[in-house]
Amino acid sequence: KQEVTQIPAALSVPEGENLVLNCSFTDSAIYNLQWFRQDPGKGLTSLLLIQSSQREQTSGRLNASLDKSSGRSTLYIAASQPGDSATYLCAVRVNNAGNMLTFGGGTRLMVKP
Amino acid sequence: DAGVIQSPRHEVTEMGQEVTLRCKPISGHDYLFWYRQTMMRGLELLIYFNNNVPIDDSGMPEDRFSAKMPNASFSTLKIQPSEPRDSAVYFCASSFFPGDTIYFGEGSWLTVV
Repeated sequence: KQEVTQIPAALSVPEGENLVLNCSFTDSAIYNLQWFRQDPGKGLTSLLLIQSSQREQTSGRLNASLDKSSGRSTLYIAASQPGDSATYLCAVRVNNAGNMLTFGGGTRLMVKP
Repeated sequence: DAGVIQSPRHEVTEMGQEVTLRCKPISGHDYLFWYRQTMMRGLELLIYFNNNVPIDDSGMPEDRFSAKMPNASFSTLKIQPSEPRDSAVYFCASSFFPGDTIYFGEGSWLTVV
């Protein structure tokens, strides 16, 4: 059974710092991996989707990497801003089936002005 | 597109009452998912539909929960009778196909007292 872990559970940094959020998964035979952002009282917003054949994806100040062999993904946020404060979740898809998406517990990020 | 639309956004109900949550997926998406999010268990898939047909309902906690999708633009999740332990955020999500980016609604925040 696929298990997804995100460490740390919470992170507080001063504005302007570059930071890395970690996601690890137990079964390296994945189809793809998706990073989401969740603001308090809101739904999940998709940030980046990395296919199993890809090593990384970039969108603006965000860069997500994938290392299947080690069962790890990282989300790099450059020049963090207070508006980046949210919970970040990674989700691993084992195959192209609707019930095979497993979520991590999330990392709650606070960026202080 | 307006995204995935859920209603109600918030509901407080008494134990034993029937609760109906509604969802309108993104137009053209063939897959619809119902998730539940709690502090203790994180995000859990309850059921998903493909072209209005329920494919996997193994995540539905008990017979008190039922879901329908009468057409491509509407789905309901019903709890009857509701119990305090059903208090959670219920998310509806949709995608073109299972491995594609999944889009979430803003959730229905249910409190059963």
